[in-house]
This record gives sequence, C-alpha cells and structure tokens, in this order.
Amino acid sequence: GESVGLHLPTLSVQEGDNSIINCAYSNSASDYFIWYKQESGKGPQFIIDIRSNMDKRQGQRVTVLLNKTVKHLSLQIAATQPGDSAVYFCAEIARVQGAQKLVFGQGTRLTINP
Amino acid sequence: NAGVTQTPKFQVLKTGQSMTLQCAQDMNHEYMSWYRQDPGMGLRLIHYSVGAGITDQGEVPNGYNVSRSTTEDFPLRLLSAAPSQTSVYFCASSYGDQGEQFFGPGTRLTVL
Repeated sequence: GESVGLHLPTLSVQEGDNSIINCAYSNSASDYFIWYKQESGKGPQFIIDIRSNMDKRQGQRVTVLLNKTVKHLSLQIAATQPGDSAVYFCAEIARVQGAQKLVFGQGTRLTINP
Repeated sequence: NAGVTQTPKFQVLKTGQSMTLQCAQDMNHEYMSWYRQDPGMGLRLIHYSVGAGITDQGEVPNGYNVSRSTTEDFPLRLLSAAPSQTSVYFCASSYGDQGEQFFGPGTRLTVL
C-alpha cells in the first residue's frame, strides 16, 4: 500500500544550528502534507502544513519544502533550541478505502546538543 | 477549552479482559479518530468518525470497536484484549478530515 517514510531515524544538531528533517512519500495523488512534533509522553502537535500546489511554506523558524517530482518533503528548523528536541513525523492525506485519511511516517528523533 | 481529553492515562489488562478508552473534545469538531503508536513507529489509524452516528475502519481495526453517539465523545472498546494490543493510544479531532488534527495526551495500555 501507499506509505510515508523518513530517511533518517535520528538526528543530532548543535543548539543554534539549523536542522533539516527529510521525508519521502509514495502516494503521488496525495495533495496535503503535515509535519507534527511529538515530545516525550505527549501527543503529536501540529507544526506546519503544505498543499501540493505549493513548493514552500514558512512559519516561525520552520520551513516546509515539497518536491513533487521526487516525492520528497522536508522540514527545516532554524536556530534550533533545546525545546526543539522531539520526534518529528511527516504525514500525508491519502485516500484509503474511498475516504481521506492521515497516514503517518515512522518519525525522526531530533536531539539538540547544548 | 480543554481540547482533547483521554482517560485513563495508564491501564494494565490481562489477556481476554475488555475495557473502554474514553475520548472527549469540546471544540465541536466533526472528525474524530483513534490511532495506536508502537515503539519506533508512527501512528496507525484504528477507526475514525466524520460525525455523530457515523464511524468507519482505519488501517488496523481488528479487535477494536467504536461508536459516536455524540459530537463530543468517541470511545474505543477492546472486546478481548491481546498482548498485541499493548501500545499507546491517541485520540484526535479536527473540523474536517483535512484540517489540523488536535491530539489528546494518550493512553498507555499494557496487556499481559
């Protein structure tokens, strides 16, 4: 079936540096993508989304890039802070059994080193 | 607003026992869903509901039942718990199936 996956399961960066988390998706019909942040012991929290008619979207310290040609999604976090340490999931809206459903990737654990 | 609430936070069951995981939201969201999260994996959709009285299966529905008698509540029932159902369960809600989903804090379930 269709799936969303991540290239790297773990990523460590120095505080203040920029980080990039990557995601590959396989459903070329997906038209909506979301990045979630999950801190230890908590539920996922929405960070930023992007629709397939866009290549780039920026938020506060975060940027999502979408490359539909190679079905690749990335999340850039600028000037990382200790509070950015978490697991980050990409997710796509996929049509499963005739209904739109959110399909999550495996997740990348981001660690910010002081 | 309390957002999405889940109870209990932790639960230990013996194989064959039944129980209900509670989920409630006070944001008047039509769309609600249940996910399970296993170690090192993303969330997998169990069941979802697009409104009161309407439910449907997700990716991993076997062993779980749901009902949606009100907009606010969406309980998940385990009829006969199995060790394979040991997981963390998250409930989520949104205005629509493409809107931002708000997640509850999760229920950590262990089946012995």
